[in-house]
Amino acid sequence: EAQVTQNPRYLITVTGKKLTVTCSQNMNHEYMSWYRQDPGLGLRQIYYSMNVEVTDKGDVPEGYKVSRKEKRNFPLILESPSPNQTSLYFCASSLSVGILYNEQFFGPGTRLTVL
Amino acid sequence: AQKITQTQPGMFVQEKEAVTLDCTYDTSDPSYGLFWYKQPSSGEMIFLIYQGSYDQQNATEGRYSLNFQKARKSANLVISASQLGDSAMYFCAMREGLGAGGTSYGKLTFGQGTILTVHP
Repeated sequence: EAQVTQNPRYLITVTGKKLTVTCSQNMNHEYMSWYRQDPGLGLRQIYYSMNVEVTDKGDVPEGYKVSRKEKRNFPLILESPSPNQTSLYFCASSLSVGILYNEQFFGPGTRLTVL
Repeated sequence: AQKITQTQPGMFVQEKEAVTLDCTYDTSDPSYGLFWYKQPSSGEMIFLIYQGSYDQQNATEGRYSLNFQKARKSANLVISASQLGDSAMYFCAMREGLGAGGTSYGKLTFGQGTILTVHP
């Protein structure tokens, strides 16, 4: 089944404790992206990657890191989480960048709480 | 400036009636795509419908149709014959074309969302 998976689905942590949210897709998609969803703000892009070893900042990159060593994986790293990073996080992927219509497939979401 | 605006934080509709969810957008790029996603209480994002800026006809997918008014920069979602299972958060999103610059590549810009409640 074609899908985007994220782990963990739920995480409660404390300020300053490094964490990684994994994202994996099995559709051979070039483009992957991370979004965070906050009430009243919709989804905002954190980082994106157009292909292996190619990543760039989105609208709200502060406090996050990413890497794209393999095409299928795009982990999100919070080196020193803070309470303002409490949010619902989505990983998404799409086939390529050049075609407007490419639907973005979303993972199930990771609900993160930073105490 | 907001690129995607959904002015209705919440909407109510009676089962079997039609409902329109508003979305206006702002872009100077002549090439763009507009998407609607549904997010039920379980949290996943479900793609509903797409409209390209050069599409001559309004997009339709089953009970969903997109009322695309390019001059007004609006892309309203119309759900016909509402069902209880349509109760969810709905997001309008836009992807700008390659002419908009590198940081737009692939990115979806989302509106704030509209919570739709369908009453029996």
